[in-house]
Amino acid sequence: EVQLVESGGGLVQPGGSLRLSCSASGFTFSTYPVHWVRQAPGKGLEFVSTVTSNGGSTYYADSVKGRFTISRDNSKNTVFLQMSSLRTDDTAVYYCVKDLLPSETYSHYFDYWGQGTLVTVSS
Amino acid sequence: EIVLTQSPATLSLSPGEGATLSCRASQSVSSYVAWYQQKPGQAPRLLIYDASNRATGIPARFSGSGSGTDFTLTFSSLEPEDFAVYYCQQRFNKITFGQGTRLEIK
Repeated sequence: EVQLVESGGGLVQPGGSLRLSCSASGFTFSTYPVHWVRQAPGKGLEFVSTVTSNGGSTYYADSVKGRFTISRDNSKNTVFLQMSSLRTDDTAVYYCVKDLLPSETYSHYFDYWGQGTLVTVSS
Repeated sequence: EIVLTQSPATLSLSPGEGATLSCRASQSVSSYVAWYQQKPGQAPRLLIYDASNRATGIPARFSGSGSGTDFTLTFSSLEPEDFAVYYCQQRFNKITFGQGTRLEIK
C-alpha cells in the first residue's frame, strides 16, 4: 500500500523558516518524481514544487521560487521542503504527492497524496 | 498563466441521477487535464488523467472527455459517496487547478 506521511508543520512568524518532511513507503520510491501541493484553509489546490526521481532536477511555482527548496534522500525514502522567508499567504495544508508515472522527468499528474501537514504563518 | 474555470460552482443532485461538470481553459491545453475528487477532511484523489483516462481503481461510472479548452467530467449515475468537491488541473503550461465544483446532495 502506497503511503506518504508528512511532518514538520506548525506555527511560524512571518519571515521565518520551516522544513517539511515526507516519508514514503509502498512503492519504488527512487523511480518516481514527488511533488508538494498546498491548500489554504477553505480554498482550492495550488501546486508548489517537484523533484525528479534522482533529485537532479527541481521545479517551483512562481509564488515560491527563490524561497522554497525541494530535495530528496532516496536512501531514506524521504522528500523535504525547506521553506524560508515565509509569508502569511503561505498558510496552508501542505500535501506530499507521488507522480503518476515512474520517470526521470515527471507527468505532473498526482496519484497518491499524503494527509497533509498544516503550516500557519502568523505573528 | 492558464486559468481553469469550473462550472457550476455548486451542483445539487440526487443519488441515481447523472451529472456533468465543466472545466474551461483560458487557452488550449491539448488533452493534458486531470480531475480530482476531494471529500471533507481528506486529501484529493486522482480520478481522470489526460482528459479521459481513468486512474487505477476508479469506477466506470466516472468518465472524462474534451480537448483544447473545454473538458467535462461525467457521472453516469451518482452514488452517495460521489458527493464531494471536484477539481480539474492542467499540466500543459506550468500547473494550475480550477477553483472547484461542489457536488451536493439535493
